[in-house]
This record gives sequence, structure tokens and C-alpha cells, in this order.
Amino acid sequence: KQEVTQIPAALSVPEGENLVLNCSFTDSAIYNLQWFRQDPGKGLTSLLLIQSSQREQTSGRLNASLDKSSGRSTLYIAASQPGDSATYLCAVWYGNKLVFGAGTILRVKS
Amino acid sequence: GAVVSQHPSRVICKSGTSVKIECRSLDFQATTMFWYRQFPKQSLMLMATSNEGSKATYEQGVEKDKFLINHASLTLSTLTVTSAHPEDSSFYICSAGGTGADTQYFGPGTRLTVL
Repeated sequence: KQEVTQIPAALSVPEGENLVLNCSFTDSAIYNLQWFRQDPGKGLTSLLLIQSSQREQTSGRLNASLDKSSGRSTLYIAASQPGDSATYLCAVWYGNKLVFGAGTILRVKS
Repeated sequence: GAVVSQHPSRVICKSGTSVKIECRSLDFQATTMFWYRQFPKQSLMLMATSNEGSKATYEQGVEKDKFLINHASLTLSTLTVTSAHPEDSSFYICSAGGTGADTQYFGPGTRLTVL
């Protein structure tokens, strides 16, 4: 069964801290892996897409890594800001289907 | 960028009634649309994949007679929750497939509350 797990479930940090969100997946035959942001009661915003042949992707203060062999991905957020507060979802592409983790709820305190 | 809309954004209905949710791709044609359900503090779960002009493919455990999906055009898919019950209360999100197999554009979601 294809499952995606995210740790921690929730995280609260002071503004300015660097932080790491973790994602693991059981089936390593992935097509791609994608990180999303979801604000309360809203849809999804794509942050980073890592293709299965890549090891990392960067966008601004965000860096996502992928280790297919161990079934893990991390999302690194540098110099966190209150505006980063949201739920971060890790999703794995199997063909054209997305399997989501339950998310990490991030709160950045000012 | 590609925009996907959903209507309504919120709906409250009585138990036993049917509710229709629309998903539209505003500036592109989507051969494939996906319907997800998200319960509080849980992940998005794929309910079904809808292909324009053909029957939807439902995931295991999703009742196709309860969740009716129609994808009659390349820009519109609808999800009808028939005979809704309180346990159907959830956040329903649609997405529309782009040109690449690894592209989905998500709608803003519909909050369904069944009393």
C-alpha cells in the first residue's frame, strides 16, 4: 500500500528560525514528489516539485530534498516568517495519481 | 498560470438532500480532473479520477452511486453527493490535470456541512 507519512504533525517556532519538515513514503517507485502549502480552509499552493531523478530543488527560502532509496524527503525553510504559518503537505506522484501525507501544521510566532 | 475554480465554496444542507459541486478549469482544457476529500487534520484522499466523456474511476472504498461524477466538457466536472449524511461533511477539493503527467492544478475547495 502506498502511504505517505509526515513528521512532525505540528510545529511551533519563533520567527527567524530555520526548520525542517519530514516526509517518508512506503513505495519507492515514485514518479515525482511535491510539496504544497495549504492555508486554513483554502486550496493547495504548489511549493516545489522534485522529479524522481533529482535530489533537491530550491525556491527562495525553501529547499526540498529527495532520497528515493530510503523513501524520504525533507523540506527546509530558512529564516522562517509569520507568513509561513500554514499546513505543509507532502505528496508523492505514482503515475498521474497523487498520494498525500496528513501534513505538518506550522506556526511561526512573531 | 492555470486557474481552477470551485462552486460553491461553502454549502450547508439537511441530511438526505443532494448537493452538487462544480469544478471548472478557467483558462485551459482539462482532459482529466480529480476529486479529493479532506477530513479535519487528515490528508487529502483521492476519491475518483474523471476523464472527459467517459465514466469516472473510483478509488477503493468510495461509493460510486453516492458520489456521482460527471465530466461532460473539457472545462467542467461536477461531483454530486447524493442523500448526504453528516458523515459526508468534509472539505472537497478538485484538481485539473495539465499537459504533463505530473501536473495538477487545484481548486480552492468546497466545505460541505450536512446537518
